[in-house]
Amino acid sequence: NAGVTQTPKFRVLKTGQSMTLLCAQDMNHEYMYWYRQDPGMGLRLIHYSVGEGTTAKGEVPDGYNVSRLKKQNFLLGLESAAPSQTSVYFCASRRQDYNSPLHFGNGTRLTVT
Amino acid sequence: RKEVEQDPGPFNVPEGATVAFNCTYSNSASQSFFWYRQDCRKEPKLLMSVYSSGNEDGRFTAQLNRASQYISLLIRDSKLSDSATYLCVVLQHGNSGYSTLTFGKGTMLLVSP
Repeated sequence: NAGVTQTPKFRVLKTGQSMTLLCAQDMNHEYMYWYRQDPGMGLRLIHYSVGEGTTAKGEVPDGYNVSRLKKQNFLLGLESAAPSQTSVYFCASRRQDYNSPLHFGNGTRLTVT
Repeated sequence: RKEVEQDPGPFNVPEGATVAFNCTYSNSASQSFFWYRQDCRKEPKLLMSVYSSGNEDGRFTAQLNRASQYISLLIRDSKLSDSATYLCVVLQHGNSGYSTLTFGKGTMLLVSP
């Protein structure tokens, strides 16, 4: 039971570099989410998807792009990384029904220097 | 008023103590409620859903008070391993069919020997 898998677990980027974070879930969940978590800020929603081929902006979408070409995968891209994007990123998924909880991946710890 | 509020703590309790956390929410249309546990530098993990009639899972009891718009989590016979941050999550079902999830910033619990 893999659940939600995120890769990579850690990454260090230089300002201006790009990267893609991959999230994969094997639970056939419709909804997928990307969050970032910073000290004192709690979890903040970056982007989310309600199904294959759909994406939408969350609370803090600037500087990020996402794609959901397959139902099981949700990619988060940073085109030109900035130090303000140093954070821990969590992917999550859930079923469509309203009482379904979120299932989180293990997180990606990103440092931008 | 913030949408979902929690006392950040920390709550320092000895082993064996009973401790309770509250989480208040501002949107009266909120429909589903969850408690998550997050260990340092790890992903949030579902502790329990909160049902209207209240529910219990071992040493943990969750209650919902819709009139006063808060949920609570009671931990009996605290263990050292209960030390963590406890996140409250509130779900509102939207008109478009999409549900909005709002996280509290968490309450830190420290259980000492």
